[in-house]
Amino acid sequence: EIVLTQSPGTLSLSPGERATLSCRASQSVSSNYLAWYQQKPGQAPRLLIFGTSSRATGIPDRFSASGSGTDFTLTISRLEPEDFALYYCQQYGNSPMYTFGQGTRLEIK
Amino acid sequence: QFQLKESGPGLVKPSGTLSLTCAVSGGSISSGNWWSWVRQPPGKGLEWIGEIQHSGSTNYNPSLKSRVTISVDKSKNQFSLTLTSVTAADTAVYYCAHNGRWCLEYWGQGSLVAVSS
Repeated sequence: EIVLTQSPGTLSLSPGERATLSCRASQSVSSNYLAWYQQKPGQAPRLLIFGTSSRATGIPDRFSASGSGTDFTLTISRLEPEDFALYYCQQYGNSPMYTFGQGTRLEIK
Repeated sequence: QFQLKESGPGLVKPSGTLSLTCAVSGGSISSGNWWSWVRQPPGKGLEWIGEIQHSGSTNYNPSLKSRVTISVDKSKNQFSLTLTSVTAADTAVYYCAHNGRWCLEYWGQGSLVAVSS
């Protein structure tokens, strides 16, 4: 099973700043198989990014992502108030099919 | 765009069986994609439970495989989750989701299930 480790656990930034979230895999992950989600309190996760760098429908272009092999990054170029939330990376594998990182909390400084 | 909605009892007794249904709208469950269940214990992260295709083919998380069954009812455009021998550790918000390209594209709102006597 591939384990995903996200860092930092909590990121404290101000609106307008740039956020960089990391996701490291215990084994190499195909670039097709890495996704990112945003979750706000009391809500279901929302798909942000699939295939390492493709934005899901309706996701603003201040969200971007990149990476390969074992190291992946989600970047939010200029933080808006609504961006403060929990973020999870996810990989698709063999068994279990989907595994998630433990999450990064993005909080207002 | 699919809409999904979970339903089922919010309270299950220890050693009992948890049963949830996910109603799909906005498209046919027989569209050829896979459909998943994911859970999230209070204050914790996400755990994928398993998936089903309209044909009835399934894949399960090995950590839950002995207790999980996912089934599909094409006539009602819904799929279901059954988890047996539950304990307090199974208390969680349970989400159903539509699988996209190696990701979970659309999610239901979630259903909180507590295991308690």
